[in-house]
Parts: sequence; structure tokens; C-alpha cells
Amino acid sequence: AQTVTQSQPEMSVQEAETVTLSCTYDTSENNYYLFWYKQPPSRQMILVIRQEAYKQQNATENRFSVNFQKAAKSFSLKISDSQLGDTAMYFCALRATGTASKLTFGTGTRLQVTL
Amino acid sequence: SQTIHQWPATLVQPVGSPLSLECTVEGTSNPNLYWYRQAAGRGLQLLFYSVGIGQISSEVPQNLSASRPQDRQFILSSKKLLLSDSGFYLCAWEREGENEQYFGPGTRLTVT
Repeated sequence: AQTVTQSQPEMSVQEAETVTLSCTYDTSENNYYLFWYKQPPSRQMILVIRQEAYKQQNATENRFSVNFQKAAKSFSLKISDSQLGDTAMYFCALRATGTASKLTFGTGTRLQVTL
Repeated sequence: SQTIHQWPATLVQPVGSPLSLECTVEGTSNPNLYWYRQAAGRGLQLLFYSVGIGQISSEVPQNLSASRPQDRQFILSSKKLLLSDSGFYLCAWEREGENEQYFGPGTRLTVT
């Protein structure tokens, strides 16, 4: 069974500052993918960034980057130069490779960006 | 480009009434399709997925069922709703052989 744990229910950051959201996971699979999704008040789930477990290099997407520690089963998201539009729920998710593998989600971290 | 639609956007139904939520994808063929439910303040729980027409896999036995009558259409149904069926229902698609799922705008269901 796969599990994803997000231990920070809520976080706050000032505009232009940097914030890191934590995620740990457990899986028996050797090959898998990790994702961060953003859910703004509109509740649309938006893919922020993905990481393939077989890649050692941490993924980056503009202001978003991850710190992937495979041995520790840790996958944190760093948001640089935070913007008001980053205010949202952030979900960490895991899926094994293979056809129609399910996404297992954490319970989310509510991020508030303030002026 | 690909788009995914869900309707209705919101729905209020009494306990014991039937349910039909629809999801359609445009701009791709033979996608894998998924139904998730998000309870208030919680993460997403996978309910059903489908790799092709008429092929449905259930993750959680419950009061709901799913069908895929056409390649890009995925329907979530119930014969008799329960209070516990309230939640936010999200449909997602992915290209066959790929690993990124893209979500629709969701349906907020309130069972009264």
C-alpha cells in the first residue's frame, strides 16, 4: 500500500518570501512518480511539478522546485518569491508506474500568502 | 489542446434520490479516466478508473457505480444517495502510457 503524509495543515508566508512544504511517503515500488498539485479556491486541481523517482536531479518549474530525498522518502516543495496567487491548498501525490496506476494523495497543506 | 468538462458544477439532492455526474474529455482518444472524491478538508480518494470503453475498476466498494459508454465519457452514478456521499467529485484523465493526470473543474454534491 502507498501512503503520503503532509504534516503541515497550514502555513503562512509573506509575499516575495520563500516557503517550503513538507511531504513524506511510503511505497514498496522501486519506480514511481511524485507530484505536487495546487488547489486554489476555485477547487480546480492544477499540476505544479512532477518528479520521477529514478532521476536524482530535483525538478524545477520556474519559482517551484522540489527537494527529493529518495532514501528518506521525502519530497518537499519550495516556492520562491511567493505571490498572492500562490494562496491555495497544496497536495503531494504519489503513483507507481504502470497502466492506470492510482494517485495517492496526502491530506494537503493550506498555504496563505500575505502582504 | 485537450479539455475536460464536468457537469453539473453543483448539485443538491435529497437522501435516497439517484445521481448521475458526467465527465467528458476533448482533444484526445483512448484516455485513462478517473473519478475521485474529496471530502471537506481532506485529500482525494480514488473511486473508479477506466482504461477503455466498458472497462471499470473500483477502488472502494460503496454506494456508487461508474460507466464508460463512450471513449471520452465517464459517468458516476448512484441509485440511492446517502448523506455520506456529499463531497467534491473530480474527474481526471491521462494519456495512455503517460503518468500525469489532469483534472476537471469538479462537481460539488450536497446530499440533504
